[in-house]
Amino acid sequence: DTGVSQDPRHKITKRGQNVTFRCDPISEHNRLYWYRQTLGQGPEFLTYFQNEAQLEKSRLLSDRFSAERPKGSFSTLEIQRTEQGDSAMYLCASSLVQVAGELFFGEGSRLTVL
Amino acid sequence: QQQVKQSPQSLIVQKGGISIINCAYENTAFDYFPWYQQFPGKGPALLIAIRPDVSEKKEGRFTISFNKSAKQFSLHIMDSQPGDSATYFCAGRDNYGQNFVFGPGTRLSVLP
Repeated sequence: DTGVSQDPRHKITKRGQNVTFRCDPISEHNRLYWYRQTLGQGPEFLTYFQNEAQLEKSRLLSDRFSAERPKGSFSTLEIQRTEQGDSAMYLCASSLVQVAGELFFGEGSRLTVL
Repeated sequence: QQQVKQSPQSLIVQKGGISIINCAYENTAFDYFPWYQQFPGKGPALLIAIRPDVSEKKEGRFTISFNKSAKQFSLHIMDSQPGDSATYFCAGRDNYGQNFVFGPGTRLSVLP
């Protein structure tokens, strides 16, 4: 297992388009987190799953954002009607419930909205 | 109440020196305090972490000091090396929500 993988690594889109990011966590990890990071800032929590259940969503996650984790494996984060303010790095992390303190991050998907 | 404050924003240290980064939190529901290291183009990676019932934890050149009453904790990097040049984030885990709140980061540059 090579760790958390995210795809695509970089997405450039025009304002108003929809984009989808995929995250494949470490295989045995049952928790999966999505964070957003802008330049010069720390990661901001968006949402997290335990297995297939979405347990918490941040107020940052507007109704244009939706995340899924079917069958408790990979996850997708979709942003509808993108805005320039959505430009950021979207980070996925996974962990084991038993070792919930250690998040393993992917390298992120960078979104640029023109 | 969710905010984690971190200082300094940037830090320049000579090789062999001590790097010190400070964090403060407000949420008394935080039950776990990790530090993450991030290199350009990479995701953050866990460096060291501490629970609030411990005042200090040391792993190699990295030490966390924790002051529960003051709601402050700090990272000390001894014998800093150029390879330590990276951005460091402190964080707190919310015991109720289980999400992590990160500080804004400190960009460390260690000069050779």
